[in-house]
Amino acid sequence: QASLVQSGPAVVNPGASVKVSCKASGYTFNSYGISWVRQAPGQGLEWMGWISTYNGHTKYIQKFQGRVTMTTDTSTTTAYMELRTLRSDDTAVYYCARDWDYGRAGGGDALDIWGQGTMVTVSS
Amino acid sequence: DIVLTQSPASLAVSLGERATINCKSSQSVVYGSNNKNYLAWYQQKPGQPPKLLINWASTRESGVPDRFSGSGSGTDFTLTISSLQAEDVAVYYCQQYYYTPRAFGQGTRVEIK
Repeated sequence: QASLVQSGPAVVNPGASVKVSCKASGYTFNSYGISWVRQAPGQGLEWMGWISTYNGHTKYIQKFQGRVTMTTDTSTTTAYMELRTLRSDDTAVYYCARDWDYGRAGGGDALDIWGQGTMVTVSS
Repeated sequence: DIVLTQSPASLAVSLGERATINCKSSQSVVYGSNNKNYLAWYQQKPGQPPKLLINWASTRESGVPDRFSGSGSGTDFTLTISSLQAEDVAVYYCQQYYYTPRAFGQGTRVEIK
């Protein structure tokens, strides 16, 4: 069965960077994109961006432009999300989720498979 | 950017009673080429990732109990739990996947009265 398994929790200093991994298994990796969603403590879901595993094309929301980089490694079927210049309000659970990709019909898909989440705490 | 507004923010329903959650989109999420509504509903329980319940506004995912149903089209959508069970206590989110960014509603907390 399809699954996404994320890296473990991280505690990072303000101003530092964090890189979260998301390993896919049980499906054809480059047939689906990966979205990243975060959730601050007690708050709702915030979609951060998307990467095509087919060609590496990315889309980020404006608030993260210049601070986030999403990448994939098709040889290990792993997606990565790096967030730089971390602030206290970046403290959140970060999720990866399976999404639409080029080659699939319709231009969009719901997020049907989710990773377990990675808690990132920004604190000195 | 598209905005999804859910109502109510929270609701308390007696066991076995109906729960209704609304989601209003600032723009239509119907794709003209296939006439599908690009609207999903998710359930999130404490300490867990969201779980996809319904996509295409009304299609239940495999394994989702049939007490969950989705309806609506264009800009107005509804998630209905026909007979609330204890295990349905959760926060529910709508999300559109027609536009980028893939906006979520702010969530609706469902509790037992």
